[in-house]
Amino acid sequence: GQNIDQPTEMTATEGAIVQINCTYQTSGFNGLFWYQQHAGEAPTFLSYNVLDGLEEKGRFSSFLSRSKGYSYLLLKELQMKDSASYLCAVSLDSGTYKYIFGTGTRLKVLA
Amino acid sequence: DSGVTQTPKHLITATGQRVTLRCSPRSGDLSVYWYQQSLDQGLQFLIQYYNGEERAKGNILERFSAQQFPDLHSELNLSSLELGDSALYFCASNLQGADGNTIYFGEGSWLTVV
Repeated sequence: GQNIDQPTEMTATEGAIVQINCTYQTSGFNGLFWYQQHAGEAPTFLSYNVLDGLEEKGRFSSFLSRSKGYSYLLLKELQMKDSASYLCAVSLDSGTYKYIFGTGTRLKVLA
Repeated sequence: DSGVTQTPKHLITATGQRVTLRCSPRSGDLSVYWYQQSLDQGLQFLIQYYNGEERAKGNILERFSAQQFPDLHSELNLSSLELGDSALYFCASNLQGADGNTIYFGEGSWLTVV
């Protein structure tokens, strides 16, 4: 089966740095995505990794290790508006482009 | 605004009824995905269509069906509704191939079964 694991909840302070981990065991792999989802709203795309290493995009960075089935999302200079769920998703293969999502990590940013 | 349009935004219906959710993908996108998100649950993949044909199937119940029309819009039909079907249903789209793998989500359709 397909398995994507993330912590359920995390709490951090405004201005701090937080790392959200994601581990996956899937039958195929064609890339890993991070999405942000505010409650009751649509997930919005944050980052995409298909090769090992770090991708940086402003305050957000994402890292991938394919051999370890591991990724993390790093959020720097946290702001209150970063309070949201962060979803890790894996694209299973290039044929069907089937995407499997983890249950998400609910991040609370405190003042 | 992702460019993916879903209607209706909210829907309340009774158990046993049937509803149809509609999705218009981003302009030029050929692939449509349907996801279900229940309270405090992750996004559950239901089904994917590509250019009118079913491409992949996830945990979609037999009471549910979907199709993608020649103009690329898609509909998700939910029948014999049960209380447990209450959820947020998302449609997403992308253009496979050169555009990469990112999928873009609509705002979702909130379904409440009473």
